[in-house]
Amino acid sequence: SQKIEQNSEALNIQEGKTATLTCNYTNYSPAYLQWYRQDPGRGPVFLLLIRENEKEKRKERLKVTFDTTLKQSLFHITASQPADSATYLCALDYFGGGTASKLTFGTGTRLQVTL
Amino acid sequence: DVKVTQSSRYLVKRTGEKVFLECVQDMDHENMFWYRQDPGLGLRLIYFSYDVKMKEKGDIPEGYSVSREKKERFSLILESASTNQTSMYLCASSVTTGLYEQYFGPGTRLTVT
Repeated sequence: SQKIEQNSEALNIQEGKTATLTCNYTNYSPAYLQWYRQDPGRGPVFLLLIRENEKEKRKERLKVTFDTTLKQSLFHITASQPADSATYLCALDYFGGGTASKLTFGTGTRLQVTL
Repeated sequence: DVKVTQSSRYLVKRTGEKVFLECVQDMDHENMFWYRQDPGLGLRLIYFSYDVKMKEKGDIPEGYSVSREKKERFSLILESASTNQTSMYLCASSVTTGLYEQYFGPGTRLTVT
């Protein structure tokens, strides 16, 4: 079965630095890969989506890469701020939408940005 | 803005009780999902629905059932609650075309004693 690995250890980073989070998966590559942010006691919030034929996607201070050869996605937050502290989840979508579309989530990586 | 609401933020039930968790979305989304989230296990899909009265089993459907009588409402039912169903339950919805991101509700923290 598909296995998704996100670093379960918390990532501590100083304000202003770039945070890089990793999502590795086994077996076959998904059609889409999504990243979500989750704050304590709240539901996840969608951040970015990247398709299998895209290498990189950007949104403001966020950047996602997708390497189907390495079976890996990297999520970058540049100029990180304490408000970026949260758990970040990656999710794999094998069907690319439609009635069969469902996501398989990783366990998430907790990011802590300190002053 | 898309809004997904869940009937309760916190719920405490006794073993053997029948439990209903309600989810409502206001954006006319076709797909709706129920997940549970546990430390170290992440989000796991229980059931999903792509249309009224349609449902599909997710990865961990045992001990649960669902109902979708109206497009905007998706209910999760625990027929006989057990202590191993203590968890955070999250509902989500999405469209079936365009970007397929899921919109989540705030979650229900269920404790079964």
